[in-house]
Amino acid sequence: VMTQSPAFLSVTPGEKVTITCQASEGIGNYLYWYQQKPDQAPKLLIKYASQSISGVPSRFSGSGSGTDFTFTISSLEAEDAATYYCQQGNKHRITFGQGTRLEIK
Amino acid sequence: QVQLQESGPGLVKPSETLSLTCTVSGGSISSYYWSWIRQPAGKGLEWIGRIYTSGSTNYNPSLKSRVTMSVDTSKNQFSLKLSSVTAADTAVYYCARTLSIFGEDWFDPWGQGTLVTVSS
Repeated sequence: VMTQSPAFLSVTPGEKVTITCQASEGIGNYLYWYQQKPDQAPKLLIKYASQSISGVPSRFSGSGSGTDFTFTISSLEAEDAATYYCQQGNKHRITFGQGTRLEIK
Repeated sequence: QVQLQESGPGLVKPSETLSLTCTVSGGSISSYYWSWIRQPAGKGLEWIGRIYTSGSTNYNPSLKSRVTMSVDTSKNQFSLKLSSVTAADTAVYYCARTLSIFGEDWFDPWGQGTLVTVSS
């Protein structure tokens, strides 16, 4: 089970955003982060907890291992309005966090 | 770059079988796992299962009794069948390429999704 928090954030452009995800058991660094904009498919942003994906802006980053993980947007931009999900891929018991909806103030 | 497109009926009657196909373009379907993931309106994501191009499958235990996946490498397509559907199966269904290392999976890219409504 992946416990993601908070469920909702309202943040001003330029500010830092932090989302956390906690696994019910240790998953090493097998944690992935996705961005889903309204009426779009999810898009992979971070793999292996902290590895960036080609083409993804550098303001998106991740950290953590074991059970506790963090996703960070260093300086929020208006285009970052979306719902963000964490995902663990442990041996066919693939589960997603509940999602964090990020609103731009 | 690889692109995925879901297709199939948008409306299915209760107790019937939902059938969807995902067509892969811009690359070969071979040597990858491919997954189906669904999302009820306003809710989170649920992994349904995955299939390798050899035909080997793994399903979400909560859906396993009702799910069948297949692959047609000659058409660069894979498919989902979900039997005995109810209103709870109403969702946007996504297909996605599944990257897998040491049994750990992630998804990239995804199809645009297709809405399937279960209603009489």
